[in-house]
Amino acid sequence: EDQVTQSPEALRLQEGESSSLNCSYTVSGLRGLFWYRQDPGKGPEFLFTLYSAGEEKEKERLKATLTKKESFLHITAPKPEDSATYLCAVGADSNYQLIWGAGTKLIIKP
Amino acid sequence: DTAVSQTPKYLVTQMGNDKSIKCEQNLGHDTMYWYKQDSKKFLKIMFSYNNKELIINETVPNRFSPKSPDKAHLNLHINSLELGDSAVYFCASSQDLSGGEQFFGPGTRLTVL
Repeated sequence: EDQVTQSPEALRLQEGESSSLNCSYTVSGLRGLFWYRQDPGKGPEFLFTLYSAGEEKEKERLKATLTKKESFLHITAPKPEDSATYLCAVGADSNYQLIWGAGTKLIIKP
Repeated sequence: DTAVSQTPKYLVTQMGNDKSIKCEQNLGHDTMYWYKQDSKKFLKIMFSYNNKELIINETVPNRFSPKSPDKAHLNLHINSLELGDSAVYFCASSQDLSGGEQFFGPGTRLTVL
């Protein structure tokens, strides 16, 4: 069964304290892995697409990486405005829908 | 310009009522979706339409009926509302069916009393 698991559920960091969020997946044929950011009261906002193991994408303080079993979202020297819930989703070759993880709630304290 | 818009943003209603949520996208995308996000923030696909054709219809009660009058609009009608329908409903769109890059609307918070 296709599945996506994110950890931790919540992460509290001090401003400037770097860390990583994990997205583990099981899928029969990866079409792509997608990271989104969701702010309270808003819809998810697309961040990155990763297609194959070894691929990396960067945007400001965020870097996403992909292996055959998991993806990491690395946050370098985060700021309070990086606080949000980060969602991971996987697309499988076998169908059109995305399989979503439950998200990691990131809180950056000033 | 808002890319994906939904109305209303909040909907409070009594059990047994019928309600509709409207969604419009001005991105020229072919594919549109309805998602339900429960209190634990888990996103669950409900329906997907591609060029007005139903593609994905997950295990959703028959009380939920989507309608796509054209590829820029996807509305959701809910009959005989139940307490368990309370959630945030998101509309989204993508360029095509392979669309992992999806654009989401602001959400409609439905509360059933």
